[in-house]
Amino acid sequence: DIQMTQSPSSLSASVGDRVTITCRASRAIPTYIAWFQQKPGSAPKSLIYGASSLQDGVPSRFSGSGSGTDFILTISSLQPEDFATYYCQQYSEYPYTFGQGTKLEVK
Amino acid sequence: EVQLVESGGGLVKPGGSLRLSCVVSGFTFSGYSMHWVRQAPGKGLEWVSFISGSGSYIYSSESVEGRFTTSRDNAKNSLYLQMNSLRAEDTAVYYCARKRLTAGTVDYWGQGTPVTVSA
Repeated sequence: DIQMTQSPSSLSASVGDRVTITCRASRAIPTYIAWFQQKPGSAPKSLIYGASSLQDGVPSRFSGSGSGTDFILTISSLQPEDFATYYCQQYSEYPYTFGQGTKLEVK
Repeated sequence: EVQLVESGGGLVKPGGSLRLSCVVSGFTFSGYSMHWVRQAPGKGLEWVSFISGSGSYIYSSESVEGRFTTSRDNAKNSLYLQMNSLRAEDTAVYYCARKRLTAGTVDYWGQGTPVTVSA
C-alpha cells in the first residue's frame, strides 16, 4: 500500500498567517492527491483534487501544489473558520490511503 | 443540491451484522461511482470500499474484504454496506461519499452513521 505521511501533525497559527502542510507519498502518485478539511463532529469537506484543482466553492486562499511524491497544501491568509484538521489522500491506486492528519489550532 | 444521507448504524455485538444505507438526491445516482470511508473514534480517515455506477466494479480494503459487501440499487438511489463478522476494530463513523466524475477521489460526503461493536 502507498503510505501518506503528513507534517506537521499539529500546527499553531494566528488569523492572517500563511500556513503550509506537507504530504509525502511512499512512492510516486503523479498528481493523484486530494486534500480534505474536517471540523470536530462533522463530515470531511473536499478542498482540492488533482494536487492543485479547487473543489467548487472552496475559497481561493486554499491552494495545492506538488507532483510525484511531495505535495503541499497552502492557506494564504488564515481565517477563523479554517481551524480544523486537514487530511491528504492518494487515489493513484487501491487501496486509497490517507495521511494521518494535521490539526491546525489557534495560537 | 447534492445530498447523501446515511442510516443503519448502531450498537452490535462482536460477530454480529449490520447493514448501512446511503440515500442520495440532487444528482443522477447511476452516473456516479461511490465510496465508503470510515473514521474510528479519535482517529483518521480510512477508505473502505468503492463501487462503480453500474455496480460492476467493486474494490474493498483488506481489512474488510470477505466480511463487508458493497452494493447499490440505482432505482432507489441507494448505496449499501453489508457488514458481517463485525469486530471491535470496526467501530467507527461510516461515511458514504460520491466519486468525482473527473477524478478518482471524492467531492461530496454524507454526514456519517456511527457503528459501535461491543459486547
